[in-house]
Amino acid sequence: DAGITQSPRHKVTETGTPVTLRCHQTENHRYMYWYRQDPGHGLRLIHYSYGVKDTDKGEVSDGYSVSRSKTEDFLLTLESATSSQTSVYFCAITQRGLRGSSDTQYFGPGTRLTVL
Amino acid sequence: QQPVQSPQAVILREGEDAVINCSSSKALYSVHWYRQKHGEAPVFLMILLKGGEQKGHEKISASFNEKKQQSSLYLTASQLSYSGTYFCGTEMADYKLSFGAGTTVTVRA
Repeated sequence: DAGITQSPRHKVTETGTPVTLRCHQTENHRYMYWYRQDPGHGLRLIHYSYGVKDTDKGEVSDGYSVSRSKTEDFLLTLESATSSQTSVYFCAITQRGLRGSSDTQYFGPGTRLTVL
Repeated sequence: QQPVQSPQAVILREGEDAVINCSSSKALYSVHWYRQKHGEAPVFLMILLKGGEQKGHEKISASFNEKKQQSSLYLTASQLSYSGTYFCGTEMADYKLSFGAGTTVTVRA
């Protein structure tokens, strides 16, 4: 499982409240990602990080921010949650070796977020 | 940029074969395949690099046609354990993956 944990695993919140999801990894991977998964859309990239304090936007970044102050933690914040952000959120890491030889992306267990 | 997967769903009996296709309009560096069981995280199956290689995992194999920007996943002699949703993820050499919408595979006894 590449040592990835996510917290919380389930959360119910109300519209307009801030929410922070945490991804923690124990194997010193450089690249970390946040995805959301919705029926009919597969997995869509929200933000990713290529190092401490180095982050960039994905395809569905509006309404989300991220921070990475330590290699092991990647935080996703919904600044003011909306019902459209109800989803399952997955964190992932890329285990990279020589280019192409061992590029595998491993996913955390997911966080189910419901915004009422 | 999201790749297109087909079919959306397939129902098989044990021992039957199936093919799942993934196509992109962009030049690809690699294609990744994952399987996800209900309520679980996606699990990595295999990666294919440009060069038209094929790989296998159990009796699941895949190919990548770089010229057509297409990849196919082959489920051979399907088993009940093959049930789940299969996703392709495409990479354009920028360390990010774009995932297809998924193909739901149901294998029945």
